[in-house]
Amino acid sequence: GAVVSQHPSWVICKSGTSVKIECRSLDFQATTMFWYRQFPKQSLMLMATSNEGSKATYEQGVEKDKFLINHASLTLSTLTVTSAHPEDSSFYICSLEEGTEAFFGQGTRLTVV
Amino acid sequence: GENVEQHPSTLSVQEGDSAVIKCTYSDSASNYFPWYKQELGKGPQLIIDIRSNVGEKKDQRIAVTLNKTAKHFSLHITETQPEDSAVYFCAASKKYGAGSYQLTFGKGTKLSVIP
Repeated sequence: GAVVSQHPSWVICKSGTSVKIECRSLDFQATTMFWYRQFPKQSLMLMATSNEGSKATYEQGVEKDKFLINHASLTLSTLTVTSAHPEDSSFYICSLEEGTEAFFGQGTRLTVV
Repeated sequence: GENVEQHPSTLSVQEGDSAVIKCTYSDSASNYFPWYKQELGKGPQLIIDIRSNVGEKKDQRIAVTLNKTAKHFSLHITETQPEDSAVYFCAASKKYGAGSYQLTFGKGTKLSVIP
């Protein structure tokens, strides 16, 4: 199946700063990628669908100006958490679909202090 | 939208015993049901999946069953081993838009296999 590489795997940042998370498809050209957020001991919640060459589609309740998504190429989607606050601390995971199967990155643990 | 319920939330079994995790879904249009294993600090990994035209699928110690009429599907792990300990998520998926599939996840089951 497709190989998805996510970077960084963990990051600590100060409140008010911005953090960029990269999601790369290593062996598959992905027109669509997905960004999820996972709180401790909870399930994955879809934040947005990233579309190559066009605007991302955000789920209800997700602030598009806070979570900036850029899908500039078929192998790279980025999620930027802007003006991060402690409540943004979470595990962020990207995925892509090859056919009907979804393949996930290893996740990024974001801690905002 | 789709709603996926997963039970139990935690499950402890003795090594060698079987483990069963059950999920129900609400949208009859869903037609793809994957199961993911997530180890601590890592992303989910697909372990087995089933499509709506199949009732049962098996891969070594892991099997999944699907009852479309009742809208429920289950994961069965036989001869459990300590390395099976992880959080397991079920998901339901249907096609949307121009060809993408959107996954809705259950809340997860933390499986602990006791040596």
